[in-house]
Amino acid sequence: GAGVSQSPSNKVTEKGKDVELRCDPISGHTALYWYRQSLGQGLEFLIYFQGNSAPDKSGLPSDRFSAERTGGSVSTLTIQRTQQEDSAVYLCASSFSAGGTDTQYFGPGTRLTVL
Amino acid sequence: GNSVTQMEGPVTLSEEAFLTINCTYTATGYPSLFWYVQYPGEGLQLLLKATKADDKGSNKGFEATYRKETTSFHLEKGSVQVSDSAVYFCALALSGGSYIPTFGRGTSLIVHP
Repeated sequence: GAGVSQSPSNKVTEKGKDVELRCDPISGHTALYWYRQSLGQGLEFLIYFQGNSAPDKSGLPSDRFSAERTGGSVSTLTIQRTQQEDSAVYLCASSFSAGGTDTQYFGPGTRLTVL
Repeated sequence: GNSVTQMEGPVTLSEEAFLTINCTYTATGYPSLFWYVQYPGEGLQLLLKATKADDKGSNKGFEATYRKETTSFHLEKGSVQVSDSAVYFCALALSGGSYIPTFGRGTSLIVHP
């Protein structure tokens, strides 16, 4: 079956522009996570969705970042007024259920470069 | 809070050498422990996991044992291959409460022929 997909795979934008990153989780997975991976920094948690519950936004670094998940499936991460420090690889992961101990399935990521 | 500490890389080995990548953790409860691997240009994928003390996770020749007394989950492989070159992430997750796993910074492994 299909894994987690993300688009675009690469995005180059100018400082101050808005960007949207898309994640298609594995069908039937109720939990969805967004992470940011910066060079040498490991994974930084951004936001977590579980079913119809309110998302856990505790990892979003500023109010320029937002995310939504429509119909419990596709998710979009939006970064407004991008800054150079937003340059990173943005990873999406899904898991079958809400338990944090479930295996996470990751997409290939979107590499964002802010000039 | 929860944290995961991995040895810094890169780890550079010759093919067929023995591999150890150290991972220690702190957690407020009884976590499940994971090793994820990220091959070049790809997302992370689960390599192995262990859910309770003294459990051993294994996959593709890699092993790691959940050591509660030393709060460790070191990754080992007896004979590495060039194809094992990747970045390895240790992670923990707690059942109940926060559903957010905690990842280490990752350790890059480079295996030369």
